[in-house]
Amino acid sequence: AQKITQTQPGMFVQEKEAVTLDCTYDTSDQSYGLFWYKQPSSGEMIFLIYQGSYDEQNATEGRYSLNFQKARKSANLVISASQLGDSAMYFCAMREGGTGANSKLTFGKGITLSVRP
Amino acid sequence: DAGVIQSPRHEVTEMGQEVTLRCKPISGHNSLFWYRQTMMRGLELLIYFNNNVPIDDSGMPEDRFSAKMPNASFSTLKIQPSEPRDSAVYFCASSFYGTQYFGPGTRLLVL
Repeated sequence: AQKITQTQPGMFVQEKEAVTLDCTYDTSDQSYGLFWYKQPSSGEMIFLIYQGSYDEQNATEGRYSLNFQKARKSANLVISASQLGDSAMYFCAMREGGTGANSKLTFGKGITLSVRP
Repeated sequence: DAGVIQSPRHEVTEMGQEVTLRCKPISGHNSLFWYRQTMMRGLELLIYFNNNVPIDDSGMPEDRFSAKMPNASFSTLKIQPSEPRDSAVYFCASSFYGTQYFGPGTRLLVL
């Protein structure tokens, strides 16, 4: 089974509107971390937001928030007030276990977001 | 603060040639990761180091690939001999017990 699932083929949003990018995960670990990265057309991978499995509140970073639903094993990224510069590929990733030596990430296949003016 | 530095940014080579990709992690980070990204396979972890020691190289596709980390501030990924199917973007990332920060990547084209 895939550990990270991103099934939306491509998303479109009107500028200034909010958009939700879906991510579901699969793990039997109690301690894990969830990450979102942005990859614009220029190619770099930009870290956006992190949620730890024990964090009681949803993570927020500026216009980004993570809708963490532990029982449903989902970690959706919400982008508020979309901007043209938000057009990019978005990757969800998971780190299983704690932040010790075994800190590799498993990435989903990504979702393409296009912001319309 | 300087981020992860990778060189070269672009590499075009002919099949059979040796290719060496270089990475300088963020100062103070203790883990370093090499990824490969292609349209077909997405983002794949090749190998990662913790405190300069290789921890997991199960993603290295075959013996043509090798990676070293001689010190905390430098790592190399070598492909010898290179093949057209090795064409991809190779990312290096580093972390300190947490979030991984990526370098700009090396775009490799093997003709």
